[in-house]
Amino acid sequence: SQQGEEDPQALSIQEGENATMNCSYKTSINNLQWYRQNSGRGLVHLILIRSNEREKHSGRLRVTLDTSKKSSSLLITASRAADTASYFCATDNQAGTALIFGKGTTLSVSS
Amino acid sequence: GAGVSQSPSNKVTEKGKDVELRCDPISGHTALYWYRQSLGQGLEFLIYFQGNSAPDKSGLPSDRFSAERTGGSVSTLTIQRTQQEDSAVYLCASSALYGDTQYFGPGTRLTVL
Repeated sequence: SQQGEEDPQALSIQEGENATMNCSYKTSINNLQWYRQNSGRGLVHLILIRSNEREKHSGRLRVTLDTSKKSSSLLITASRAADTASYFCATDNQAGTALIFGKGTTLSVSS
Repeated sequence: GAGVSQSPSNKVTEKGKDVELRCDPISGHTALYWYRQSLGQGLEFLIYFQGNSAPDKSGLPSDRFSAERTGGSVSTLTIQRTQQEDSAVYLCASSALYGDTQYFGPGTRLTVL
């Protein structure tokens, strides 16, 4: 069953603008991860944020986690055309043996 | 170091044939996962291996699907009597330990005609 739900489904912005994607989930989690996928193939891990963390940074990426609202956001600052991809949030399943992915946000960055 | 590798990268087969997909995890990673991604279903978990423990097969969609992991390293996902709805990208991932970051391979695109 689906755990993470990304919003919006699609986002189009200009280079240099910031992009914000949101993820909501249903049950308690140990951690939440964000992945990027180019051209429908391999997933690239971006950030893992644990349930006791509220914010994490990695380069131009900023992830926040609000466990009271069961939501997370991914902010990409100063976007580039190379950021064009699909972005997924993923949480661990109840058994902790796998990730449950949302359907993703498709980001298009035009120059 | 080398990442997760999968082979073949593309596989086209006829309905009813069996296929084998291979995954080489990152060396030293004890946990290995199989997922598939199709247009209608998104990314779905299939099976999980952790060391010598019994695998979590709860995501396998039917008994036509099976997987094994030999020597705690390479894994093979086998689909018997393939059906058109099996067409998808099959992704393998590994992690150092249970609950750690999962690193994904490039996937195998399976097309069943």
